[in-house]
Amino acid sequence: AQSVAQPEDQVNVAEGNPLTVKCTYSVSGNPYLFWYVQYPNRGLQFLLKYITGDNLVKGSYGFEAEFNKSQTSFHLKKPSALVSDSALYFCAVRDMGGNNRLAFGKGNQVVVIP
Amino acid sequence: DGGITQSPKYLFRKEGQNVTLSCEQNLNHDAMYWYRQDPGQGLRLIYYSQIVNDFQKGDIAEGYSVSREKKESFPLTVTSAQKNPTAFYLCASSAGTAWGNQPQHFGDGTRLSIL
Repeated sequence: AQSVAQPEDQVNVAEGNPLTVKCTYSVSGNPYLFWYVQYPNRGLQFLLKYITGDNLVKGSYGFEAEFNKSQTSFHLKKPSALVSDSALYFCAVRDMGGNNRLAFGKGNQVVVIP
Repeated sequence: DGGITQSPKYLFRKEGQNVTLSCEQNLNHDAMYWYRQDPGQGLRLIYYSQIVNDFQKGDIAEGYSVSREKKESFPLTVTSAQKNPTAFYLCASSAGTAWGNQPQHFGDGTRLSIL
């Protein structure tokens, strides 16, 4: 079965520093990968996705993610973190059964320190 | 604005009571989903529907029921058989495709607690 792992529970970063949130995946076949962000007591907001093509994907709010097939990773990055980026971040991978299901990671809490 | 509306935002359940969470979307999406979110566990799929009048169990369907009589509506009933219903419930929708390459769009959730 497909799955994603987000190895760090919390990521602390100083404002203005680069932000990286890690995600590794396990699928059979080609992965479809997604990143979402969740603010307190809100739903998830879509940031970006990788389906095919360029390994570097650009998304909303200045975020980007790099797909690395050999390392089965899809890390989320932002060159300069803002305090407002403090939130819960989820990585997800498509179910390969073709029924539009997603498997989500446990989430990473990002704390940007002013 | 197009989007997904979940109601109520907060809900309290008494012992032995069934409660229904509402989810409505005006995005014209074919597929809809219900997730349960518990701290530190990510999102777990309860039920999903790829088309009107059809739905499938997810990973944790026991104690829950759904219906999909209209394209825009996908209500979730938490039955008395669900012994630990306290959680944050999220509804989502997506443009259904055979390739699963469309993102899911989420509502702002319903927080269910036991009285």
